[in-house]
Amino acid sequence: AQSVTQPDIHITVSEGASLELRCNYSYGATPYLFWYVQSPGQGLQLLLKYFSGDTLVQGIKGFEAEFKRSQSSFNLRKPSVHWSDAAEYFCAVYGGGSNYKLTFGKGTLLTVNP
Amino acid sequence: DTAVSQTPKYLVTQMGNDKSIKCEQNLGHDTMYWYKQDSKKFLKIMFSYNNKELIINETVPNRFSPKSPDKAHLNLHINSLELGDSAVYFCASSRLKSGFNEQFFGPGTRLTVL
Repeated sequence: AQSVTQPDIHITVSEGASLELRCNYSYGATPYLFWYVQSPGQGLQLLLKYFSGDTLVQGIKGFEAEFKRSQSSFNLRKPSVHWSDAAEYFCAVYGGGSNYKLTFGKGTLLTVNP
Repeated sequence: DTAVSQTPKYLVTQMGNDKSIKCEQNLGHDTMYWYKQDSKKFLKIMFSYNNKELIINETVPNRFSPKSPDKAHLNLHINSLELGDSAVYFCASSRLKSGFNEQFFGPGTRLTVL
């Protein structure tokens, strides 16, 4: 069964600092991996996704993520955080086939200090 | 032009009542979903329909019944509401049923059962 772990429940960074949010997945083969963001009071929005090929993927809003098979990780990064990046971030995995289901991690809340 | 819309945005009701949440998407997508997000922000799939056919039916009490009159609409009816049903319910849609398609989320319906 596919699963996702986000080890950090809450992270606080200063505006302008770099950011890395951790995500570890469990799946037998190469999974499809996603990062979604949920701003306060809003639905989720896709930041980026990884299917195959280049292990460093670029997304919207200046985010990127790197797939590392050896570590079963798909960490999200941003070189310089803006106050508007404060939100809940969800990593998700899809294993393929007729499962159809996207499995989400429990989320990491990002607080940005001025 | 809202892509995925839900009504109502807030729903406060008494235990034992029956209520419905409506969802509509104007993206021309084939697949729609209902998710439940609990107080700890954990997001869990409940149901998914593809072209009006049920393709995901997670372990959900049978008090919850989805209905898809056409592929642009997916409604959620809940009978005999319980305190534990209090949550935010998100509707989402994707172009195709496979989990690697980007999902577009509505703004959510916050259900409070008293």
